[in-house]
Amino acid sequence: GDSVTQMEGPVTLSEEAFLTINCTYTATGYPSLFWYVQYPGEGLQLLLKATKADDKGSNKGFEATYRKETTSFHLEKGSVQVSDSAVYFCALSAFGNQFYFGTGTSLTVIP
Amino acid sequence: NAGVTQTPKFQVLKTGQSMTLQCAQDMNHNSMYWYRQDPGMGLRLIYYSASEGTTDKGEVPNGYNVSRLNKREFSLRLESAAPSQTSVYFCASSDVHQETQYFGPGTRLLVL
Repeated sequence: GDSVTQMEGPVTLSEEAFLTINCTYTATGYPSLFWYVQYPGEGLQLLLKATKADDKGSNKGFEATYRKETTSFHLEKGSVQVSDSAVYFCALSAFGNQFYFGTGTSLTVIP
Repeated sequence: NAGVTQTPKFQVLKTGQSMTLQCAQDMNHNSMYWYRQDPGMGLRLIYYSASEGTTDKGEVPNGYNVSRLNKREFSLRLESAAPSQTSVYFCASSDVHQETQYFGPGTRLLVL
């Protein structure tokens, strides 16, 4: 079945460090891929998405490229800020009405 | 435009008690979802509703029932709560193309 695997956390970085959170997927068909972010005490919010191979999603300095050949959608940011501290979820949606989420990666950015 | 709202925000139940979690969206979305979030497990789909009048089971439906009351509202009912149902519950809705989900703020449920 469809699934998403993302890197285990927690991840702790200093401010202005480079961030990579790995995400790979398994899916039949051609899924859309998403990164969601969850700030403490809140629901998930869409961070970025890509709907077909080689698309790059970007938002707030974060980027992820849909790589069909490696079935990956890694999240990157060149310079993290304290305000980026949150839990990040990779997700996919294939045909049908179901979304599949990874287990989440907690990021803490220290000044 | 409130997006997705959930009530209550927090609830404590005793084993065997029942309760209904309420969810409403004002974005005219067709699809609505209930998830539970547990440490180390990510989000797991309990039930979803692709349109008014239809509901389908997700990954972990046992112990839950749902009602799609109208296009706006989708409720989740625990008939006889168990400690294993202690979790954070999120409602979400999505647009006609199911490309993006919008989440509510969550309900924290503790079953003693």
